[in-house]
Amino acid sequence: LAKTTQPISMDSYEGQEVNITCSHNNIATNDYITWYQQFPSQGPRFIIQGYKTKVTNEVASLFIPADRKSSTLSLPRVSLSDTAVYYCLVVLWDSSYKLIFGSGTRLLVRP
Amino acid sequence: DTEVTQTPKHLVMGMTNKKSLKCEQHMGHRAMYWYKQKAKKPPELMFVYSYEKLSINESVPSRFSPECPNSSLLNLHLHALQPEDSALYLCASSQEPSEGYFSAKNIQYFGAGTRLSVL
Repeated sequence: LAKTTQPISMDSYEGQEVNITCSHNNIATNDYITWYQQFPSQGPRFIIQGYKTKVTNEVASLFIPADRKSSTLSLPRVSLSDTAVYYCLVVLWDSSYKLIFGSGTRLLVRP
Repeated sequence: DTEVTQTPKHLVMGMTNKKSLKCEQHMGHRAMYWYKQKAKKPPELMFVYSYEKLSINESVPSRFSPECPNSSLLNLHLHALQPEDSALYLCASSQEPSEGYFSAKNIQYFGAGTRLSVL
């Protein structure tokens, strides 16, 4: 069964770097990996996306190994406002293509 | 304008009621999505519309009936729901799909959702 796996939760302190990994074993060959952030009572919000190697924007970096069976979201110097749930979004193959959110990682940033 | 607007924000309904959820976007996106999200779980895809036509139905029970009257509007009609249907219902929109299926490359813009309680 194609699925994604993320750590349920992570704790960090302000100013630290946080790395969140998503495992996706049957990812569609030609599709991207996208990460979203969700605050309580809000819809998910786009953070970053990539296809392979490393992508960086103004808020995060995304590392994707050559086999693309996982991806790692890196948040540099987190602040209290980064406390949220983080999801990867991928297309998996499981007798058909499925657009699937990862299980989600709850990040708590402490002062 | 990158806003997706969902109404109502909250909805309480009985199992015999008929109600509708509404979603609106003015970004010119031609793909629109409905998701269901239970507490502490990821959003689960229900329906996708592409160019106002239903493209994906993820085996959703018929008590949920989507409708896309035009390129800016998406409705979800609810009838004879069960208590287990209580959840946050999220709408999203994105650019049109590529390669015959809905790509994770298409950045989705989400509304804040409608929190539905079925009594």
